[in-house]
Amino acid sequence: DAGITQSPRHKVTETGTPVTLRCHQTENHRYMYWYRQDPGHGLRLIHYSYGVKDTDKGEVSDGYSVSRSKTEDFLLTLESATSSQTSVYFCAISDFERGRSSGANVLTFGAGSRLTVL
Amino acid sequence: LAKTTQPISMDSYEGQEVNITCSHNNIATNDYITWYQQFPSQGPRFIIQGYKTKVTNEVASLFIPADRKSSTLSLPRVSLSDTAVYYCLVVADQTGANNLFFGTGTRLTVIP
Repeated sequence: DAGITQSPRHKVTETGTPVTLRCHQTENHRYMYWYRQDPGHGLRLIHYSYGVKDTDKGEVSDGYSVSRSKTEDFLLTLESATSSQTSVYFCAISDFERGRSSGANVLTFGAGSRLTVL
Repeated sequence: LAKTTQPISMDSYEGQEVNITCSHNNIATNDYITWYQQFPSQGPRFIIQGYKTKVTNEVASLFIPADRKSSTLSLPRVSLSDTAVYYCLVVADQTGANNLFFGTGTRLTVIP
């Protein structure tokens, strides 16, 4: 997808192990997001970032941490994975700038990372 | 978050026009109506966004009545490749802190 790459695309891990998912963008967009998608729940926001070292929590942030040390990379870490974190994780980016443009924020999503925690 | 209601699934034959209606009775003044499309094993993809009346792009048209409590996504002459899940969202203007509620969407199946 246009300038946004997620890695790994698939991962199987065991309960209690740390996991890091990476989102890389080449669009120089300020906003980056991590969502998870589960059957019956749609997409739910985990964390988002509005600049280097600027992050905030979303709806389902417990058990997750993020880091953004440079514009192009947004990392999602599960410090100790649990089976409830088995999901498909999507990264998204946006060039939103408050006051600059009309309309609501539009996101561009990556292809997703499927994580299975056994 | 303004909740939306849309049909769970729809079937259509190739070449037909498909209209998917979304209800959003609690839409706020600064909310925009946004539609995304999602194919299996892919992330959602933005299709179209509107505030009122009609918006058209190369992919679809979006019709929004004056009261804005509903909207209709129109896909002209669908093909098999339009088989996907379509999500209707109500998104507030001027916020980057998006907590988009995608819900379960409408699963469109295009039949040959």
